[in-house]
Amino acid sequence: DIQMTQSPSSLSASIGDRVTITCQASQDINNYLNWYQRKPGKAPKLLIYDASNLETGVPSRFSGGGSGTDFTFTIISLQPEDIATYYCQHYLNLPITFGQGTRLEIK
Amino acid sequence: EVQLVESGGGLVQPGGSLRLSCAASGFTFSSYWMNWVRQAPGKGLEWVANIKQDGNEKYYVDSVKGRFTISRDNAKNSLYLQMNSLRAEDTAVYYCVRDRGYCSGGSCYSVHFDYWGQGTLVTVSS
Repeated sequence: DIQMTQSPSSLSASIGDRVTITCQASQDINNYLNWYQRKPGKAPKLLIYDASNLETGVPSRFSGGGSGTDFTFTIISLQPEDIATYYCQHYLNLPITFGQGTRLEIK
Repeated sequence: EVQLVESGGGLVQPGGSLRLSCAASGFTFSSYWMNWVRQAPGKGLEWVANIKQDGNEKYYVDSVKGRFTISRDNAKNSLYLQMNSLRAEDTAVYYCVRDRGYCSGGSCYSVHFDYWGQGTLVTVSS
């Protein structure tokens, strides 16, 4: 199984800050990598697909990059509504696996 | 508007069975692969199973193989997960998830989980 390792596991930042989360795959997954946002009490939401494509309706302050084994997820200017846990997910093969999540808090 | 509504969760004893259902609306259900994804308390997301549009291909995570069965009824726009021989480690919120892509022969293509239900809680405890 492909292991997805996110860092950091938690992050505290101020409104307006640039925030970056990294995700490392245990083997080359090309760009088969998605990012999800999960707010407390709500279902996960797809934000970025295929490493760098912004899902329709998602604000442009969110972006993704990388390929192969190393990926990044960035919020250009943190907003209060961005408080959530973020997950990466690969889909190169089965089983599909997720990173352990990064909990983002306001400083 | 796409909607996925899960039901059937609850408290069950170890070794027991439970059947989850997911009612889909707002899209052509028969055109999409569907998935179950779970999240145990305090843990991350775990993909559980998926099923092809016609139900003829199904895949499972190793930890549930032989115990869980995914199925669908396209006439009723419904997805199911039959869970047998339940264990404490199956305790989780189970999500019904739509998939824009597909998997075949173990490889996957454009698997983007674009719509999720609100989830149903399964608790396995004596």
